[in-house]
Amino acid sequence: AQSVTQPDIHITVSEGASLELRCNYSYGATPYLFWYVQSPGQGLQLLLKYFSGDTLVQGIKGFEAEFKRSQSSFNLRKPSVHWSDAAEYFCAVEAAGNKLTFGGGTRVLVKP
Amino acid sequence: DVKVTQSSRYLVKRTGEKVFLECVQDMDHENMFWYRQDPGLGLRLIYFSYDVKMKEKGDIPEGYSVSREKKERFSLILESASTNQTSMYLCASSGGTVGTDTQYFGPGTRLTVL
Repeated sequence: AQSVTQPDIHITVSEGASLELRCNYSYGATPYLFWYVQSPGQGLQLLLKYFSGDTLVQGIKGFEAEFKRSQSSFNLRKPSVHWSDAAEYFCAVEAAGNKLTFGGGTRVLVKP
Repeated sequence: DVKVTQSSRYLVKRTGEKVFLECVQDMDHENMFWYRQDPGLGLRLIYFSYDVKMKEKGDIPEGYSVSREKKERFSLILESASTNQTSMYLCASSGGTVGTDTQYFGPGTRLTVL
């Protein structure tokens, strides 16, 4: 069965600093991978997704993620964080039939 | 824009009550999903449906049932609510079973069972 691990429960970053969120997955086949963001009191919004091709994926809000098959990782990055990026971030892998398995989430706090 | 709406943002029920959580999507999506979200556990799939009157168990179906009588509406039912079902419940929909279809999420219902 597939699984997703987000090793960092909380990350605190200063506004303007870079951000990297880690995601490791376990899946037998070629993975479809996603990053979602959940702002306080909101549902989940898709940031980006990887299905095939270029291993560096660009998303919305200035985020990007890199798929590394050899490390079973799909880390999310942003070069310069804004206060509005404070949220919880979820990595997910898709199994057959469009079913998603999520990691436990990483909560990002942004210091002024 | 895809819109997924959930009937309540906050709900408080008592142990043993029957609870209905409603989800409606306006994009004619075939697939609908119910997840529960708990701190540190992320989202876990309860039930899903690929078509009207069709349902499949997800990873944690115990204590829940679902109903899909119309394509746009997917209901989650707690037959006899228990305190361990206190959680955030999120509904999602997507266009098809092909791997590239994005799931769109509703705002969630925070259920408290006393």
